[in-house]
Amino acid sequence: DIQMTQSPSSLSAYVGDTITITCRASEDITNFLAWYQQKPGKPPRLLISAASTLQPGIPSRFSGSGYGTDFTLTITSLQPEDVATYYCQKYLSVPWTFAQGTKVEIK
Amino acid sequence: EVQLVESGGGIVQRGGSLRLSCAVSGLTFSKYWMHWVRQGPGQGLVWVARINTDGSSRSYVDSVKGRFTVSRDNAKSTLYLQINSLTDEDTARYYCATVEGSRIADGFSYWGQGTPVTVSS
Repeated sequence: DIQMTQSPSSLSAYVGDTITITCRASEDITNFLAWYQQKPGKPPRLLISAASTLQPGIPSRFSGSGYGTDFTLTITSLQPEDVATYYCQKYLSVPWTFAQGTKVEIK
Repeated sequence: EVQLVESGGGIVQRGGSLRLSCAVSGLTFSKYWMHWVRQGPGQGLVWVARINTDGSSRSYVDSVKGRFTVSRDNAKSTLYLQINSLTDEDTARYYCATVEGSRIADGFSYWGQGTPVTVSS
């Protein structure tokens, strides 16, 4: 099975900072990658699919890039409401594996 | 408005069984591939199972193969997950989820609120 690895596992940044989370697949997954945001007590929310397609209603400060095995989620001008755990997930071929997540906090 | 509402969770003894349900409204259920995802306490997300539109194709993560069975009733717009031989590792909140626009593969646009399963000794 393809393994998904995210880094860092947690990060702390100031409001207004730009942060980047990386996601690596153990094999080529082309662009079959999604990013989610999850806040405590809530189900995940889809932010980005196909590695870089921003979902409707998601603020433009979120962006995704990458292809093949290496992907990034970037949040420009971090806001207090962005405090959450972020997950990447590969899809198309089963299993649709999630990475272990990155917890984002505000300094 | 699309709604996914899970039910059937609870406290069950180790080795026991449980059937989870996910009632879907706001979309043509019979056209959507459906999935189950679980999340242990303080843990990350784990994709568990997938079923195609007519139930003829099912897939599972290795850790649940042989113990979990995903099924659906399109007439009732309901997804199910039968969980047998429960172990401590099955303690989790179980979410049903699906993708936008009845595509086969994409990110999960729709999620339920989840139903909690606790395995006790």
